[in-house]
Amino acid sequence: NAGVTQTPKFRILKIGQSMTLQCTQDMNHNYMYWYRQDPGMGLKLIYYSVGAGITDKGEVPNGYNVSRSTTEDFPLRLELAAPSQTSVYFCASEYRDRDPGYTFGSGTRLTVV
Amino acid sequence: AQRVTQPEKLLSVFKGAPVELKCNYSYSGSPELFWYVQYSRQRLQLLLRHISRESIKGFTADLNKGETSFHLKKPFAQEEDSAMYYCALKETSGSRLTFGEGTQLTVNP
Repeated sequence: NAGVTQTPKFRILKIGQSMTLQCTQDMNHNYMYWYRQDPGMGLKLIYYSVGAGITDKGEVPNGYNVSRSTTEDFPLRLELAAPSQTSVYFCASEYRDRDPGYTFGSGTRLTVV
Repeated sequence: AQRVTQPEKLLSVFKGAPVELKCNYSYSGSPELFWYVQYSRQRLQLLLRHISRESIKGFTADLNKGETSFHLKKPFAQEEDSAMYYCALKETSGSRLTFGEGTQLTVNP
């Protein structure tokens, strides 16, 4: 039982490049989330999903896209990277009605130059 | 909209001293409150939640609806408690967590 796995752990992108941050969980959790963590700013919700095929915007969705084709996977897509997207990204999952409380991945540190 | 405020970005105490990490919230309904902890080079993990009324690693937190607070307390701090602590709120019927900005706790020997 690996929990929530995020890849890559680190990445440097050039302005305008695209990339996908991967997130997968093996706990059969129905809810999944993407947050970004900026220094001194706490965690801000980017997108979330309450189940396969269902996604919704969070607090800071601009510049990002997500999909949830399976229960296990919830990738985050950056289409045109900008310096403002330099951050640490966390994926989390939860079985909402059974055991509320997030399980987090280890994070992806992204730098856009 | 709901909001979580952690007034102290940095908190430093000596080993054995009591510690209190403050958390205040604004929300019109009945929230669920959580404390998450992030030790150095580790992922965020759930420390405790108010509905469980539990004590984890010697930490407790009581929800005070009158003062809209959920302060985290420990009577005798240990060096291994040094970490970043986040208070978080979840709406009554929602799923998304709103996090505070975090408090970096340092316990000195």
